[in-house]
Amino acid sequence: AQSVAQPEDQVNVAEGNPLTVKCTYSVSGNPYLFWYVQYPNRGLQFLLKYITGDNLVKGSYGFEAEFNKSQTSFHLKKPSALVSDSALYFCAVRDGLTGFQKLVFGTGTRLLVSP
Amino acid sequence: GAGVSQSPSNKVTEKGKDVELRCDPISGHTALYWYRQSLGQGLEFLIYFQGNSAPDKSGLPSDRFSAERTGGSVSTLTIQRTQQEDSAVYLCASSPGLLAGGHNEQFFGPGTRLTVL
Repeated sequence: AQSVAQPEDQVNVAEGNPLTVKCTYSVSGNPYLFWYVQYPNRGLQFLLKYITGDNLVKGSYGFEAEFNKSQTSFHLKKPSALVSDSALYFCAVRDGLTGFQKLVFGTGTRLLVSP
Repeated sequence: GAGVSQSPSNKVTEKGKDVELRCDPISGHTALYWYRQSLGQGLEFLIYFQGNSAPDKSGLPSDRFSAERTGGSVSTLTIQRTQQEDSAVYLCASSPGLLAGGHNEQFFGPGTRLTVL
């Protein structure tokens, strides 16, 4: 069965500093990995995805994520955080062996960027 | 273009009542998903529709929950005899689906906040 772990409930970072939000996964086949962001009282917005190819994936709003197969990780990063980045971030995985496109989501990490 | 829309945005009901939640997916998207987001929890998969195929109902928590997708477009999630533990935000998402080559991201609606008193 596929699963995702986001080990940190909350990440605090000062504006202008780099940020990392951690995600590790477990799948039987090839992983297809996604990051979503949720602003207060809003639905989830897609940030980026890894399907195949370059391990460093660039996405919306200056975010990027690095796929590491040996560590089964897909950490979300941004070189310089903004206060407006404060939100709830979800990592999700789909197992390439399954026929459906069902995503399994992590429990989310709240990012708080202080001015 | 229009995104995924859901109605109502908020629903307050009494324990034991039935509720219907509606989702309008993005036009042309063949895949439609329902998730539940409880306070402090991640997203819990409920059900998945892909075109005319039989839906994947493996995430429905009990037989009080059911969902339909009419004409391959609009979907309705029905919860019968609601319980207080059903209180959550119910999110709908759509994607182009398998015929579009797979691996597509899902586009989420704003959700329906259900409160069962």
